[in-house]
Amino acid sequence: SAVISQKPSRDICQRGTSLTIQCQVDSQVTMMFWYRQQPGQSLTLIATANQGSEATYESGFVIDKFPISRPNLTFSTLTVSNMSPEDSSIYLCSVEQGDTQYFGPGTRLTVL
Amino acid sequence: GQSLEQPSEVTAVEGAIVQINCTYQTSGFYGLSWYQQHDGGAPTFLSYNALDGLEETGRFSSFLSRSDSYGYLLLQELQMKDSASYFCAVAPTSLHGSSNTGKLIFGQGTTLQVKP
Repeated sequence: SAVISQKPSRDICQRGTSLTIQCQVDSQVTMMFWYRQQPGQSLTLIATANQGSEATYESGFVIDKFPISRPNLTFSTLTVSNMSPEDSSIYLCSVEQGDTQYFGPGTRLTVL
Repeated sequence: GQSLEQPSEVTAVEGAIVQINCTYQTSGFYGLSWYQQHDGGAPTFLSYNALDGLEETGRFSSFLSRSDSYGYLLLQELQMKDSASYFCAVAPTSLHGSSNTGKLIFGQGTTLQVKP
């Protein structure tokens, strides 16, 4: 099974600022995924990040707000830009191996 | 569109059996997964069904009926540590094919409370 780490684990940010979240996997994977989980809610897919190509965003999410980098097969970053209190959520990265998706521990973001 | 429905809350006692149902509507279907999430934790994989039938993994089993767009998670011999949220998730196929996109569409989750 894949082991995934995320940094930071939590942060409190001021509105209008940006935060970059890092995701590191202990093995090479083709696809990495970024999800958002708002308080008390389910997980919503933000985008799929493939190495060597632009990320693919789901409906309701745009690159200007959530730019993603995927410089190699074990690492990705998600930036939450120009933050507002509505962006307060847990952000999780995940990878797929076989038919199983493994999740990182998440980054708990609070925007004031 | 894609949607999944599951009960919002279930309560049971230790040692009992509980079944969490999930119905789904998707434009393309590759498989149905189940995840467990404790408060403050990451979702952890429990079970996966791509074909009709029952998959058993220890105390947990999962069932799928593709013709009915329905599945369930069965938890046996409930323990206090099973108190958590349980999510069903559909793996949709690519728009113009049958391949697995890798992404998951999650249901709203079922909060299971196990009582002594």
